[in-house]
Amino acid sequence: EAGVTQFPSHSVIEKGQTVTLRCDPISGHDNLYWYRRVMGKEIKFLLHFVKESKQDESGMPNNRFLAERTGGTYSTLKVQPAELEDSGVYFCASSQVGEDRSTEAFFGQGTRLTVV
Amino acid sequence: LAKTTQPISMDSYEGQEVNITCSHNNIATNDYITWYQQFPSQGPRFIIQGYKTKVTNEVASLFIPADRKSSTLSLPRVSLSDTAVYYCLVGDHSNYQLIWGAGTKLIIKP
Repeated sequence: EAGVTQFPSHSVIEKGQTVTLRCDPISGHDNLYWYRRVMGKEIKFLLHFVKESKQDESGMPNNRFLAERTGGTYSTLKVQPAELEDSGVYFCASSQVGEDRSTEAFFGQGTRLTVV
Repeated sequence: LAKTTQPISMDSYEGQEVNITCSHNNIATNDYITWYQQFPSQGPRFIIQGYKTKVTNEVASLFIPADRKSSTLSLPRVSLSDTAVYYCLVGDHSNYQLIWGAGTKLIIKP
């Protein structure tokens, strides 16, 4: 079974440009999450989808970030325009609530974004 | 959201048992305790999750006292490949807006 996949693995863009990150969750997982780790800082939650709906986007830093999840399948995270402080590693994770109400989230390998 | 406190780093040797303790004093009734492992340039990987008492799987054991204000991840007979950062997280199963601390950097020596 394929795990969570993220594209691209690395992206280097200039300040002011637009970048779109993609996440393909595990098939059948309703929950999809985006996180990021800015250099030297801790992993921070960005937002949570349940199927195609945004359940919680309280972690989105500002309106330059736009996340979508078309048809409840893959998700994209667009940064427009990118700023230097957006550099970091962006992780995507997916999960499905287990019968015992526990939840194991599966993470992708991350996309390393560098804004120069 | 419950915040966790864990050692910044630990050292051990191959073949030893390693115990990493995490404090979560303000854990809520609905919160589960979850541990993740992360290698450089990879995403976190789920290790184990529990609510109370003891949970064991093929990788680790998780000990949770009755008051649930702390938990201990136990890795039996570690190897060099267990060198990684280990994160303790506390949260409701329906809410993955988790607070990630700095984790514990575990270094296994030969």
